[in-house]
Amino acid sequence: GAVVSQHPSRVICKSGTSVKIECRSLDFQATTMFWYRQFPKQSLMLMATSNEGSKATYEQGVEKDKFLINHASLTLSTLTVTSAHPEDSSFYICSARGGAGYEQYFGPGTRLTVT
Amino acid sequence: GENVEQHPSTLSVQEGDSAVIKCTYSDSASNYFPWYKQELGKGPQLIIDIRSNVGEKKDQRIAVTLNKTAKHFSLHITETQPEDSAVYFCAASLGSNYQLIWGAGTKLIIKP
Repeated sequence: GAVVSQHPSRVICKSGTSVKIECRSLDFQATTMFWYRQFPKQSLMLMATSNEGSKATYEQGVEKDKFLINHASLTLSTLTVTSAHPEDSSFYICSARGGAGYEQYFGPGTRLTVT
Repeated sequence: GENVEQHPSTLSVQEGDSAVIKCTYSDSASNYFPWYKQELGKGPQLIIDIRSNVGEKKDQRIAVTLNKTAKHFSLHITETQPEDSAVYFCAASLGSNYQLIWGAGTKLIIKP
């Protein structure tokens, strides 16, 4: 149980375009979803937290107009990187937490490369 | 705010030996401490966790200990195997959304 999927696993886009990443909880209802980015050989950096049906809460320094997060259902959250630039290239990972549980389960990640 | 420190950054052990990774946290209000294993190019995988009302938890070759007074928690892996090679992260949970504050990670290398 507790499986989280992400799509796509890899994406290459041109500078100035937008990219959408989907995160789905496959076998549980995700009350809260989190979006992280991770640079090589570094720890995870929390970008935003979203509760189903509510606006996402962004961490300091994360531009909410650039990283659009939608959590419209209990099993799906999306992250859209708008007007992507090469410095947005990174490994983006989502996680989901269900109900009253503490546990966060992670998706496999999406490697974004902006050329 | 909460801060989690993790040591060592790299740990190399002989196959079959034990490995111990240690973390300290700063906020005594933290009440949940998970450990994740991350293989190259993949998302983190929850391997074991402990809540603040428990001192020790074990799952086969993996155990976690928590010292609330000292604000320390540790991951113990016994009888290490090559597939244990990965980066391990500790974290502490804080806040109404149970956000995780992450350690910097430990690269565990199992030597054959």
